[in-house]
Amino acid sequence: AQSVTQLDSQVPVFEEAPVELRCNYSSSVSVYLFWYVQYPNQGLQLLLKYLSGSTLVKGINGFEAEFNKSQTSFHLRKPSVHISDTAEYFCAVSDWYGEGAQKLVFGQGTRLTINP
Amino acid sequence: DTEVTQTPKHLVMGMTNKKSLKCEQHMGHRAMYWYKQKAKKPPELMFVYSYEKLSINESVPSRFSPECPNSSLLNLHLHALQPEDSALYLCASSQDAGQSSGNTIYFGEGSWLTVV
Repeated sequence: AQSVTQLDSQVPVFEEAPVELRCNYSSSVSVYLFWYVQYPNQGLQLLLKYLSGSTLVKGINGFEAEFNKSQTSFHLRKPSVHISDTAEYFCAVSDWYGEGAQKLVFGQGTRLTINP
Repeated sequence: DTEVTQTPKHLVMGMTNKKSLKCEQHMGHRAMYWYKQKAKKPPELMFVYSYEKLSINESVPSRFSPECPNSSLLNLHLHALQPEDSALYLCASSQDAGQSSGNTIYFGEGSWLTVV
């Protein structure tokens, strides 16, 4: 079964500083990777996804991620964070169950806290 | 419109009650999902419906009963729940694009369930 590991449970950062949230995946076959964000008391929102092609993926809110096959990583980055980026971030890998169904397997999440 | 709507947002129920959570999407998606999320944990898949048929049941106790009346609606019927079932229940949907696990899964805001 595919899995992802988020290496940091909490990341505190000062406002306007850069940030990197780390994610490693386990699958050795074709892999589809996602980053979702969950703001307090809300559902999950897709930030970006990697399916194939360019290894640098740009998403919403100024986030980007780089797919690195040799290191089995998919780290999320933002060059300058804002208070509003405070949230829980989940890395996920997708698996195929056939008949139009897929399963997202999430990492444990990284709590990003932006301090003024 | 990339919205998945869930009702109610909050539900408190006793262990002998019968209640239902409802989910609706109008994106023409043919796969719909129920996820359960405990506090400070990632979402965990419960059920997947594909083309209105149950395709995945992740060994969920029978006190949770899913129903997909049509391609836009998904219900989760609750009966004889336990306090440990208290959680955020997330509905999601994705477009079936053939054999692919790279579809974006769109989440609703969730229904907060408290079992007393």
